[in-house]
Order: sequence, then structure tokens, then C-alpha cells
Amino acid sequence: GENVEQHPSTLSVQEGDSAVIKCTYSDSASNYFPWYKQELGKRPQLIIDIRSNVGEKKDQRIAVTLNKTAKHFSLHITETQPEDSAVYFCAASLYVGNQFYFGTGTSLTVIP
Amino acid sequence: GAVVSQHPSWVICKSGTSVKIECRSLDFQATTMFWYRQFPKQSLMLMATSNEGSKATYEQGVEKDKFLINHASLTLSTLTVTSAHPEDSSFYICSARTPGGGGNTIYFGEGSWLTVV
Repeated sequence: GENVEQHPSTLSVQEGDSAVIKCTYSDSASNYFPWYKQELGKRPQLIIDIRSNVGEKKDQRIAVTLNKTAKHFSLHITETQPEDSAVYFCAASLYVGNQFYFGTGTSLTVIP
Repeated sequence: GAVVSQHPSWVICKSGTSVKIECRSLDFQATTMFWYRQFPKQSLMLMATSNEGSKATYEQGVEKDKFLINHASLTLSTLTVTSAHPEDSSFYICSARTPGGGGNTIYFGEGSWLTVV
């Protein structure tokens, strides 16, 4: 099955700085890579996603890059704000709507 | 967007008893739902894929006789934790897939906290 690794497990940045979270996956058949933000005890919220036919996608302060050859993808958050503090999970899936295999999570703290 | 609801949000049960968690798609029909388990400060681990009208597909290492999944209608999947033990205490969360035709979307439920005492 798919194995998704995520680094770092914890990340602290000063407000206004950038944050980068990296994930690798094992199954070359995976074609859909969403990123979720989760606050304690709540459902994950999709913040951005990317499909394998695209190398980069950006939505305001958030961007995701994908290197399908190397089987890794990254989340980039620029101009971080305290409300960005949460746990972030990457995931890999065969296609949109299929089951997700999640990374181990990154606890991001943005220091005001 | 679409809404997926779980019930109950919190449940405490005694060791050895069974507890049922419901996952409902409120405004769309979901032929496929997914069940995840999340221990504190850990990731979401896929337990099984629930298919309407057929048996669930379990991930390796998940006991199908302990975690019973029933997807009897297009809007409801249930997860029953049988003979629950304290180590089953966890956050259980479901997701549902919207119908196809242009692109499926996954929506998560609010999650259910299970505490076994």
C-alpha cells in the first residue's frame, strides 16, 4: 500500500516568515495530493490540492509543488499569520475521491 | 458545500460493550465512504472503505470482526466497535465521496470521540 512520510513533525516560525512542509510517497500510481489543516478535535479542512499532471499550484499565500519523478511534494505558506497555527497533513491518493493515505502531520506554530 | 455529519460527537462506553458511530451525507448520495481513526497527536489512519450495498474493504491490520461497517443506504454508513477496550479509545472520522461526473470531492464528517472506560 501507499506510504506517505512528512517532515518536519513540528515547525515554529515568526509571523510573516514562510513555512515549508515536505512529503514523500511510495506508490508511483498516486495521482492526487491534497493538503489538510486540522485544528484539535475537528475535521480536516482542505486547503489546497494538486494533481499529477501539474507541477505547481498557488492559492494566495499557499502553494504546493509536486515532483512526480522524485515522488515528493511540498506545501509552502508565505507571510504566515498566527491563525495559520494548526496541524497540517499531506495525503496521497490514486485519484480524486479515492481513499487517502495521510502523512504523519506537522504541527505549525506561528509566533506573533 | 456538501455536508457530512457524524453521530455521536462524543461517546463513553464501558469496556466490553459495543458502540455504533453513524456517518451521514446530508445533501448528496454517497456510494462510497471512508473510515479513519486518529489517536491523539497522530495522523489519520485509513481503516476501511465502505461501499453501499456491499462489504467494506478493510486496510491491512484492521480487524473486520471488531470494526463492523454497514453501508445499507446511499446516505448512511455505520461503524460499530465491538467488544470495545480502552485501546480503542480514539477519534473516529468518516469521509464521503460525492457522485462522479465531472470530478469527485471528498467531505469529512466532524469526527466522533470514543472513550472506553
